[in-house]
Amino acid sequence: KAGVTQTPRYLIKTRGQQVTLSCSPISGHRSVSWYQQTPGQGLQFLFEYFSETQRNKGNFPGRFSGRQFSNSRSEMNVSTLELGDSALYLCASSTTGGGLGYTFGSGTRLTVV
Amino acid sequence: QKEVEQDPGPLSVPEGAIVSLNCTYSNSAFQYFMWYRQYSRKGPELLMYTYSSGNKEDGRFTAQVDKSSKYISLFIRDSQPSDSATYLCAMSEAGANSKLTFGKGITLSVRP
Repeated sequence: KAGVTQTPRYLIKTRGQQVTLSCSPISGHRSVSWYQQTPGQGLQFLFEYFSETQRNKGNFPGRFSGRQFSNSRSEMNVSTLELGDSALYLCASSTTGGGLGYTFGSGTRLTVV
Repeated sequence: QKEVEQDPGPLSVPEGAIVSLNCTYSNSAFQYFMWYRQYSRKGPELLMYTYSSGNKEDGRFTAQVDKSSKYISLFIRDSQPSDSATYLCAMSEAGANSKLTFGKGITLSVRP
């Protein structure tokens, strides 16, 4: 079966711009979580959506937001980009969430210049 | 202090060696303990998961959890060059709302 698909794979943006990243989960998975991965901080939890509702949120500023559609596809948005937002953004899907049974996508590499 | 601490590495071993990877944690509420492997330009993939304390074996891999010491380990026997990757420990509390808390990861290189 198809895995978790993230688009685009690579992105270069300028400081101050905004960006939208997309995640298509595995068919039947209703939970989608987003993580930011950097060399300095490792993987950090951004938020989780389940059946179109945000169920959990990490300690990131309000510039980071997300949503989930009725088909479970999810998007995350970062506004007013800063250089420190450069990272690999990973999406993971599962049937129920809660950190178990995650399947990760290959990520979107965002570079802010 | 971070909730999950992992030896930073990197680690380089000869083929056939036994590899020991370790993490410590501070949150007593963690119930599920996982090891992920991440190859370059890929997302993490789940290697093993353990509920509460104990050992779990899967082929060349053994995961150990000691909740009394807040310490988890992953052992890789007869390491192969294909094991070269970044290994991340991860933990979560019980409950559907829980999230994964990761260690920073350690990069392992197995030399032929």
